Amino acid sequence: ETGVTQSPTHLIKTRGQQVTLRCSSQSGHNTVSWYQQALGQGPQFIFQYYREEENGRGNFPPRFSGLQFPNYSSELNVNALELDDSALYLCASGGTDNEKLFFGSGTQLSVL
Amino acid sequence: KQEVTQIPAALSVPEGENLVLNCSFTDSAIYNLQWFRQDPGKGLTSLLLIQSSQREQTSGRLNASLDKSSGRSTLYIAASQPGDSATYLCAVTGTASKLTFGTGTRLQVTL
Repeated sequence: ETGVTQSPTHLIKTRGQQVTLRCSSQSGHNTVSWYQQALGQGPQFIFQYYREEENGRGNFPPRFSGLQFPNYSSELNVNALELDDSALYLCASGGTDNEKLFFGSGTQLSVL
Repeated sequence: KQEVTQIPAALSVPEGENLVLNCSFTDSAIYNLQWFRQDPGKGLTSLLLIQSSQREQTSGRLNASLDKSSGRSTLYIAASQPGDSATYLCAVTGTASKLTFGTGTRLQVTL
C-alpha cells in the first residue's frame, strides 16, 4: 500500500476525445509526477508538479496537461486522443530528489 | 540524454536459485537509483533505493549495488521463489525528480 490512489482503473475512449485521469497523493508530498507506460516498455516521464506549478516536462505534446490541487490531488488531461495514447498512466508522489517515489496502481487507457 | 538499459530482457530460473539482474545508465549525474517490481497490469513497488553516495542497499533477500562512475547497478535476488515472478525495473533520478526507466527484466521463477 503506497498511499497513492488513481481513478479510474480502466477507461476506454475513442480517437479525438478528451480524458481526465485523477490521482490522490500521500499527505505531505508536495511533488506529483505522471508517467506513461506503453505495453512492454518502461514508464516515460510526462511532467511533474511541485506546489501546484509545473516544474519539469518530458517529451510530450501540449495536449497533455495537468493540474495539482492544495489537497494533494492532481489530474492529467489529454486532449484529442490518438491511438498511440493507449497505455498505463502512472501517478507518483514524493518529496525531494533524494526520496523514494510512491506509485499508484495506474489507469489503463484504451483508445479505439 | 539519459538512457537506461537492462539485461537480460527476460529470465527463467528454477526455484531456489540465486540470480543477478543488470542495469546500466549513460549519464552518471544522478541523485539516486531505484529498483522497482511490477506485476502484470499493476503499478510499481519500490524495492530498494541507493543514493548516489552509496554503494549498496539490502532488504531481505534483495541486494542492490551501484557503481556510479561506470554507470552500472545490479540487483541480486537470493533463493528465488515463485512469488518473485514479476518485471523488475531500474530507474535513475535526475533533475526535477525525473525518473528515467529501463525497459525491465521479466523474471519467471518455476517450481
